[in-house]
Amino acid sequence: NAGVTQTPKFRILKIGQSMTLQCAQDMNHNYMYWYRQDPGMGLKLIYYSVGAGITDKGEVPNGYNVSRSTTEDFPLRLELAAPSQTSVYFCASSYLQGAGGELFFGEGSRLTVL
Amino acid sequence: DQQVKQNSPSLSVQEGRISILNCDYTNSMFDYFLWYKKYPAEGPTFLISISSIKDKNEDGRFTVFLNKSAKHLSLHIVPSQPGDSAVYFCAVPTGNQFYFGTGTSLTVIP
Repeated sequence: NAGVTQTPKFRILKIGQSMTLQCAQDMNHNYMYWYRQDPGMGLKLIYYSVGAGITDKGEVPNGYNVSRSTTEDFPLRLELAAPSQTSVYFCASSYLQGAGGELFFGEGSRLTVL
Repeated sequence: DQQVKQNSPSLSVQEGRISILNCDYTNSMFDYFLWYKKYPAEGPTFLISISSIKDKNEDGRFTVFLNKSAKHLSLHIVPSQPGDSAVYFCAVPTGNQFYFGTGTSLTVIP
């Protein structure tokens, strides 16, 4: 039972570098999300997708991009890393949106930008 | 503007006693609420939920209470165990996203 798988678990970037956080789910969920969690803060939504080919911005999308070419995969791209992007990133998926729905999370990716 | 608030960043409780974690929300139209539990270096996991048609939902040692007039929900853990030590988030699904509180870090002291 893989559920939601994120890679890498840890990464250190230099300012201005780019990278992609990978996320895959094997539950055939249509809905997928990227959140970031900063110390002492709740989870903030970066981007979400309601199905393959459809993505939209969340609360804090600046500095990030996403794509959803398949139901299973939802990668998050950081184009020009900045120290403000130092955070823990969580990918999540759900089979239902709204009442009755439940998010399934990956284990997280800890990113440090120096 | 925060839609969901958890005003207690931390809570310490003796093993065997009751833990009560609180959550307030702003929008009276919210109709479904969830609690998530998060251990260090792991993703949050679903714990328990409640629909606005109920005022209580119980699952083993965990009970969630909903007070719609006060826009308040609480999670009770009885009896608390050391393995319950974690960060607890309340969450509300609305539109295309879930809003999360800032979390309460629970420490259960053996």
